[in-house]
Amino acid sequence: DAGVTQSPTHLIKTRGQQVTLRCSPKSGHDTVSWYQQALGQGPQFIFQYYEEEERQRGNFPDRFSGHQFPNYSSELNVNALLLGDSALYLCASSLDGLRLAGGDEQYFGPGTRLTVT
Amino acid sequence: QKEVEQDPGPLSVPEGAIVSLNCTYSNSAFQYFMWYRQYSRKGPELLMYTYSSGNKEDGRFTAQVDKSSKYISLFIRDSQPSDSATYLCAMSAQVLEYGNKLVFGAGTILRVKS
Repeated sequence: DAGVTQSPTHLIKTRGQQVTLRCSPKSGHDTVSWYQQALGQGPQFIFQYYEEEERQRGNFPDRFSGHQFPNYSSELNVNALLLGDSALYLCASSLDGLRLAGGDEQYFGPGTRLTVT
Repeated sequence: QKEVEQDPGPLSVPEGAIVSLNCTYSNSAFQYFMWYRQYSRKGPELLMYTYSSGNKEDGRFTAQVDKSSKYISLFIRDSQPSDSATYLCAMSAQVLEYGNKLVFGAGTILRVKS
């Protein structure tokens, strides 16, 4: 049973550039959430995608955008990169059908480490 | 004030000790409580998932939730060097405002010495 996968593993970008990160959810899952984890901090919620729509968004600027594809995989795009965007970007997947029953555990991928210079 | 407070440690214990990790929170809407383990430069791994107040046990791990005090705990029995990691508490509320986004503590670094 394949878990959550993310690509690339590491990425180095320059200020002002744009980046795209990719996530494939755990088999059978249909909901994808993205989190940003700065060094020494807990993950911060960026947004969540379900049925190819952004369902929920955290306190992140519009430079952060995303997409979900019909096969439930997802992309996170960050424009006009700032030094402060350097972090581990985590993707988590869950099954929406279990959400209201309280069974929607979120499983995380290994993350993409983004360094902005 | 942060919604979820967690002592960052580090917490250093000898092998075989009982470890107690804790979080406090301010939002009474939180109903679901999780503990994740994160090894260095890896993604978080779900350890425990509990709903509302009470205890849940899984092997050497026990999770406790006290909603009246807004306080959750994770106990690790017979700790092993392989338990050395960062432990993150997380919680969510199944209401329109929150959906099922997770709100995390900052994480506690645990070191188990052999």
